[in-house]
Amino acid sequence: EVQLVESGGALVQPGGSLRLSCAASGFTFSSYSMNWVRQAPGKGLEWVSYISSSSSSMYYADSVKGRFTISRDKAKNSLYLQMNSLRAEDTAVYYCARDSLAPSAFFDYWGQGTLVTVSS
Amino acid sequence: QSVLTQPPSASGTPGQRVTISCSGSSSNIESNYVYWFQQLPGTAPKLLIYRNNQRPSGVPDRFSGSKSGTSASLAISGLRSEDEADYYCATWDDSLSGRVFGGGTKLTVL
Repeated sequence: EVQLVESGGALVQPGGSLRLSCAASGFTFSSYSMNWVRQAPGKGLEWVSYISSSSSSMYYADSVKGRFTISRDKAKNSLYLQMNSLRAEDTAVYYCARDSLAPSAFFDYWGQGTLVTVSS
Repeated sequence: QSVLTQPPSASGTPGQRVTISCSGSSSNIESNYVYWFQQLPGTAPKLLIYRNNQRPSGVPDRFSGSKSGTSASLAISGLRSEDEADYYCATWDDSLSGRVFGGGTKLTVL
């Protein structure tokens, strides 16, 4: 069974940093590209970042470019999101989501999310 | 302001057919696959439709997707109370070099 479990969400002050983790199990993690998607309270979904299976390609939404860094660890079957210079508008539930392989598709599995609150 | 435009709300009675639209542009919907997601209250989103009109295994055939030009639609036939949820479209945007979501549509089953 595919499982994605996010962790690391917390209350952080504006300008602070936080590192989110997503532990993957039930599939060959190294073969799949992964994403972070966020949802501000009461708002819609916003794609944040993508990383290819080999970490050779990474993409970011303009709203986080230069502040957030996506990475992955094959040995630990884990996906990460390093978030720096956090702002109030980064407050959201952050989901990690897998892309399917064959046929290729966006976000075929999602984690339960972890809440990041940016406030003083 | 989302790149993809969805109506904020839709409604129908049990058994009815409801459609939800998703409007984009030549840089996103017209030239890329469209995906649809269902988010039940308090839960993570779930993939409903991929590659414009394909259903993952386990998704009832009451759900169908279509695309024409710069717009896409999700149709739900034989509406059921458990279909009450938020629905989102998504695609790749060539100009932004990123994935984009619609603003979401809240479906109410009356």
